[in-house]
Amino acid sequence: GESVGLHLPTLSVQEGDNSIINCAYSNSASDYFIWYKQESGKGPQFIIDIRSNMDKRQGQRVTVLLNKTVKHLSLQIAATQPGDSAVYFCAEPAGNNRKLIWGLGTSLAVNP
Amino acid sequence: DGGITQSPKYLFRKEGQNVTLSCEQNLNHDAMYWYRQDPGQGLRLIYYSQIVNDFQKGDIAEGYSVSREKKESFPLTVTSAQKNPTAFYLCASSFSSLYGYTFGSGTRLTVV
Repeated sequence: GESVGLHLPTLSVQEGDNSIINCAYSNSASDYFIWYKQESGKGPQFIIDIRSNMDKRQGQRVTVLLNKTVKHLSLQIAATQPGDSAVYFCAEPAGNNRKLIWGLGTSLAVNP
Repeated sequence: DGGITQSPKYLFRKEGQNVTLSCEQNLNHDAMYWYRQDPGQGLRLIYYSQIVNDFQKGDIAEGYSVSREKKESFPLTVTSAQKNPTAFYLCASSFSSLYGYTFGSGTRLTVV
């Protein structure tokens, strides 16, 4: 969904554990999804993307899963490190102009 | 190296003044975007431009203005009509609707 000024949900994990960050979308025709990481005071950075013809895509320590049946997207981070502490956003291009629609974001806090 | 540059990093404005935030990219991207981010919240689209000499209002355009005279540049003016301008402003660009965005490092605007 689109950010409307609500405060971010927070996920707190222990260093070394796996993290799972979730995102729901509403448009069953959505064909492309992107995850971004935003560290404090910086602009968002691309992490990984996935197209709707895939169910899973893996990167370095990150995996994105797409469940089109329930319109759900998740980002899994393996062996979470303190440097993973950030806000994570999912986004999808939508509308005729395909500008990105942003999820609310999830704040990930990694405890040492 | 190609990238997107925002300046200044920090900006202070007196009430009633207009200020202009700079955004320059050398990625040869056609589309450029301006977002506003308030503390602990997500991204809200102010204006976007998909091609030179053309731009569209986003979700919160009131009190802001933009121009796109060159492909590389998309400056944002925060006018005195913007009643609550203190925020973190992010500029982004994209090659096409098939890909995600590249973000600048942001400008933090404070009204004093």
